[in-house]
Amino acid sequence: EAGVAQSPRYKIIEKRQSVAFWCNPISGHATLYWYQQILGQGPKLLIQFQNNGVVDDSQLPKDRFSAERLKGVDSTLKIQPAKLEDSAVYLCASSLRGSMNTEAFFGQGTRLTVV
Amino acid sequence: AQSVTQPDIHITVSEGASLELRCNYSYGATPYLFWYVQSPGQGLQLLLKYFSGDTLVQGIKGFEAEFKRSQSSFNLRKPSVHWSDAAEYFCAVGTGSGNTGKLIFGQGTTLQVKP
Repeated sequence: EAGVAQSPRYKIIEKRQSVAFWCNPISGHATLYWYQQILGQGPKLLIQFQNNGVVDDSQLPKDRFSAERLKGVDSTLKIQPAKLEDSAVYLCASSLRGSMNTEAFFGQGTRLTVV
Repeated sequence: AQSVTQPDIHITVSEGASLELRCNYSYGATPYLFWYVQSPGQGLQLLLKYFSGDTLVQGIKGFEAEFKRSQSSFNLRKPSVHWSDAAEYFCAVGTGSGNTGKLIFGQGTTLQVKP
């Protein structure tokens, strides 16, 4: 079974530029998550999709971050404009359902450096 | 508010020695608890989880964890550490209901294994 795929693996941009990350979840998984992991901290949920609808985006900085999940499969996370404090690893995860008794599987992440 | 605390940022143990990583949580109801491991450049891998029932849970790679409600703890243990166990370990609590479940992570503990 293929895992969660993310691209790119690494990205370096200057502040005020824009950037986009892509995630392809495990086939058949209805729930997709984007987490932000700042160096030295645990991952923090940015947004959660159930199929193509947003379930939770309470911690997404909506003035600069946006995300979509077209057709309930792939997802993109965009930052525009980027700030220095956005430097982090962005992890995508998916699960069969969004309930707590179903395992979430994580991708390898995209490491973003904003200079 | 729900939260997870991992008191130890770094732990160094000798190969073959026993290991205990501490985790304390704050959650009003019966918690769903998880331990994840993250190797360098990799995504998070689930080691084990506790939902209910037996308070001692077994996981992959020889790890186990014990849920202690009275202490609000869910410590991870391994009787004999291998060099390949060097990684970052995250404790997490699951929140939400239905299909809105999400994970709240601790800040992580970095495990170094001495030969």
